Amino acid sequence: DQQVKQNSPSLSVQEGRISILNCDYTNSMFDYFLWYKKYPAEGPTFLISISSIKDKNEDGRFTVFLNKSAKHLSLHIVPSQPGDSAVYFCAASSLRGASKLTFGTGTRLQVTL
Amino acid sequence: DAGVIQSPRHEVTEMGQEVTLRCKPISGHNSLFWYRQTMMRGLELLIYFNNNVPIDDSGMPEDRFSAKMPNASFSTLKIQPSEPRDSAVYFCASNGQLNTEAFFGQGTRLTVV
Repeated sequence: DQQVKQNSPSLSVQEGRISILNCDYTNSMFDYFLWYKKYPAEGPTFLISISSIKDKNEDGRFTVFLNKSAKHLSLHIVPSQPGDSAVYFCAASSLRGASKLTFGTGTRLQVTL
Repeated sequence: DAGVIQSPRHEVTEMGQEVTLRCKPISGHNSLFWYRQTMMRGLELLIYFNNNVPIDDSGMPEDRFSAKMPNASFSTLKIQPSEPRDSAVYFCASNGQLNTEAFFGQGTRLTVV
């Protein structure tokens, strides 16, 4: 049972445009959400997070939006750069769960010139 | 800090052999996680430890898998006997008490032939 779902396995965006990566979750106990970026042959690295008390968190070119009623979050990258090409994982946790993260299956983003 | 250190980076073994993956978490972190990455299921949590004690091993696929954390600076994941379907990238991650983002190692790519 996949509690965190990333329904788009891949996404291609032109350099300079906006990339929007989507994530849905089913467990209403999740109250903290994270995005990780992963390059080939490397471990995932933390990108940005959001607590359920917020609906938006921004860090430079990266913004995460949370819609709790829809159990949906999205990551916006503006403007997209070739170096953003990677696999992006959405993750969720319940702060009562001792930081245990549940990950989605990932979306491969390709930023083209 | 050198980050989370995993060894070996690559392991090729024959079906039926025992495989041991190793992890050194970031110093001072008290939670350690073992994840497995596959195309179909993304990043699956296998087991996690808090203060060297296994808290949740519900993700361990079967009795062939075992994990130990004899001290705060070392953990192993053992597969005995290994099977071709165990082929995947195995990640170790750690985090501290006060933050909820986990830091990942570079992973061990396991191939069972």
